Amino acid sequence: DAGVIQSPRHEVTEMGQEVTLRCKPISGHDYLFWYRQTMMRGLELLIYFNNNVPIDDSGMPEDRFSAKMPNASFSTLKIQPSEPRDSAVYFCASSFRRGRDTDTQYFGPGTRLTVL
Amino acid sequence: AQKVTQAQTEISVVEKEDVTLDCVYETRDTTYYLFWYKQPPSGELVFLIRRNSFDEQNEISGRYSWNFQKSTSSFNFTITASQVVDSAVYFCALRGFNDYKLSFGAGTTVTVRA
Repeated sequence: DAGVIQSPRHEVTEMGQEVTLRCKPISGHDYLFWYRQTMMRGLELLIYFNNNVPIDDSGMPEDRFSAKMPNASFSTLKIQPSEPRDSAVYFCASSFRRGRDTDTQYFGPGTRLTVL
Repeated sequence: AQKVTQAQTEISVVEKEDVTLDCVYETRDTTYYLFWYKQPPSGELVFLIRRNSFDEQNEISGRYSWNFQKSTSSFNFTITASQVVDSAVYFCALRGFNDYKLSFGAGTTVTVRA
C-alpha cells in the first residue's frame, strides 16, 4: 500500500512568493494533519481535518498560512506571502479512527521548504 | 495539557552496544496513548509503536523493546545490539483520549559508530 505522499520534496523560493505544499493521505484514512518541524520549536501541529473538514487550526501561525482539503485524497498547505522564518520541514500525516481504538498517525516524507 | 520530556539530547554508542532512550510524560487524561517514531537521516518519520495507557504490558519487536511504567509516567525504548542503521532521531509522543494532536518530545539523536 502506498503511504502518505507529499510534493514537492524540496522547495526553494524567494521571500514574498506563494508556496503550495501538497499531500495525498493513505486511502481510507479520514484524518489528515499538517505539522511543521524546526530546530527551535520541534514538531508542531498546524491544522488537522476530519472527513475533509478543518477541525482545529489553532496551530496555524498567522493569516499567511491556509490549508484546504477539497476531497478525501488531497490537501494543500499554502503560504502567501512566504517569509524566511517559514523555512522548515512540513509533514503531512493521516490516520483513521474506529470505535474505542485510537488512530496511529502515519507521516509522509516531508517537504523541506527554504525561503530566501 | 500534554507534555513529553526526552531528557537525553544525544547518545553515542559503538555498534552492538545496547542503548536506552528515556521518555517521561505528563497528562491529566486517564486514558491516553504513547508512541515512538524514528527519523533517520533521510528525514521521514517512521512509526515504531503505539501503547495504550490501559495496557501496561511491555513489548519486544526484534531488537527493539519498550518498557511502559504508569507509576513513573515513563515509556522507555531500548535498542539491543545496536547497528549503524539505528542511527536516527527518536521521538516519543503522547495523545490524550479525546485529543487528536500528538505532543512530541524534543527527540533523542542516536549515533551508532561502527
